[in-house]
Amino acid sequence: GESVGLHLPTLSVQEGDNSIINCAYSNSASDYFIWYKQESGKGPQFIIDIRSNMDKRQGQRVTVLLNKTVKHLSLQIAATQPGDSAVYFCADRQGGKLIFGQGTELSVKP
Amino acid sequence: GAGVSQSPSNKVTEKGKDVELRCDPISGHTALYWYRQRLGQGLEFLIYFQGNSAPDKSGLPSDRFSAERTGESVSTLTIQRTQQEDSAVYLCASSLYEGLAEAFFGQGTRLTVV
Repeated sequence: GESVGLHLPTLSVQEGDNSIINCAYSNSASDYFIWYKQESGKGPQFIIDIRSNMDKRQGQRVTVLLNKTVKHLSLQIAATQPGDSAVYFCADRQGGKLIFGQGTELSVKP
Repeated sequence: GAGVSQSPSNKVTEKGKDVELRCDPISGHTALYWYRQRLGQGLEFLIYFQGNSAPDKSGLPSDRFSAERTGESVSTLTIQRTQQEDSAVYLCASSLYEGLAEAFFGQGTRLTVV
């Protein structure tokens, strides 16, 4: 079936640098795209979402970009901190249910 | 409670036994989801409840898996005749209503089938 997938399984960045996590999706009918953060041993935590009729949305230190032409979603984290180390999942909403991609593990080096 | 509560937090069971996993969603949340997460993997959708509508069971991997929800409260995920490949963390999430993108997750139940 249609799914959301990620380009890279791991990403290592220096503390203070910006991080960019990418995601490809295949379901053109999705109306929401969402980013979740999962720390070790915990359930995923909502970060930010974007409607399919938008191309950019900003939150606190995070920006999500949506390119519907190439079906690509990205999460940008400004001034990455050690506390940002986690696995990041993109997800899309399909008929009410949330479908998740495989995840990218972000590691922040001090 | 303030968040989604799952019990037990850990469960070790023998192959062939049945297990029941419980989820208490946030009070007032009409949507409830179950996911399975194998070690180092993503979240695999299992089942979705929305209010009094028929649940979306499209993600259940086999007829050994079933889930129920009492009104808009507690949900139970049952796995019958457990197999070793059922070993995973089972996560439950709830959201205020179907149209909301933000879902709140519990800590999960780690199931180990030996």
